[in-house]
Amino acid sequence: QKEVEQNSGPLSVPEGAIASLNCTYSDRGSQSFFWYRQYSGKSPELIMSIYSNGDKEDGRFTAQLNKASQYVSLLIRDSQPSDSATYLCAVRSTGFQKLVFGTGTRLLVSP
Amino acid sequence: GAGVSQTPSNKVTEKGKYVELRCDPISGHTALYWYRQSLGQGPEFLIYFQGTGAADDSGLPNDRFFAVRPEGSVSTLKIQRTERGDSAVYLCASSLKGTTISGANVLTFGAGSRLTVL
Repeated sequence: QKEVEQNSGPLSVPEGAIASLNCTYSDRGSQSFFWYRQYSGKSPELIMSIYSNGDKEDGRFTAQLNKASQYVSLLIRDSQPSDSATYLCAVRSTGFQKLVFGTGTRLLVSP
Repeated sequence: GAGVSQTPSNKVTEKGKYVELRCDPISGHTALYWYRQSLGQGPEFLIYFQGTGAADDSGLPNDRFFAVRPEGSVSTLKIQRTERGDSAVYLCASSLKGTTISGANVLTFGAGSRLTVL
């Protein structure tokens, strides 16, 4: 079992719709969770971080964390074509500094 | 500097050659990470430095890979006897330890060094 699992996609949504990206992780000791966006040929850039159970909202983005189910999600409201990218879920376990990344989900937003 | 700087941006080499990749982190960032990303995959952890010392090198795939950070700033990733399977984008990231809540450190990535081994 991979430490961090994501559906590779692509996830296709029309412009203006809500995109829902999901991630599961295997280490129950994980404490910090991150979503990075990566455009083709570019490096990952941080979108959201979440540390506590529940929802965290930032503009059009909402991160959701459920530690009991070992599940993290990212919702993108009012999706725009410029949101088309690969979204990487990353997890950090207690006592470790490294981030473990999933393989990423490719999102395609069509005009 | 303003961002994480990596050189070279592209490196093409022949199988068996030695390669060095350089990372210059954001000024003041004490933590530095090396990751490797193959096509269609997420970044794979290689090594983490806190200051000058390698605090976690558990991701280095074998003894052909080595990294240093002698003065606690610039880091060099060294690959000996390169193999075709080493072809990937090598990403460097840095963070200012302890800047965020819950003790979590936000990583900022450089643009990467694309290594191609022929």
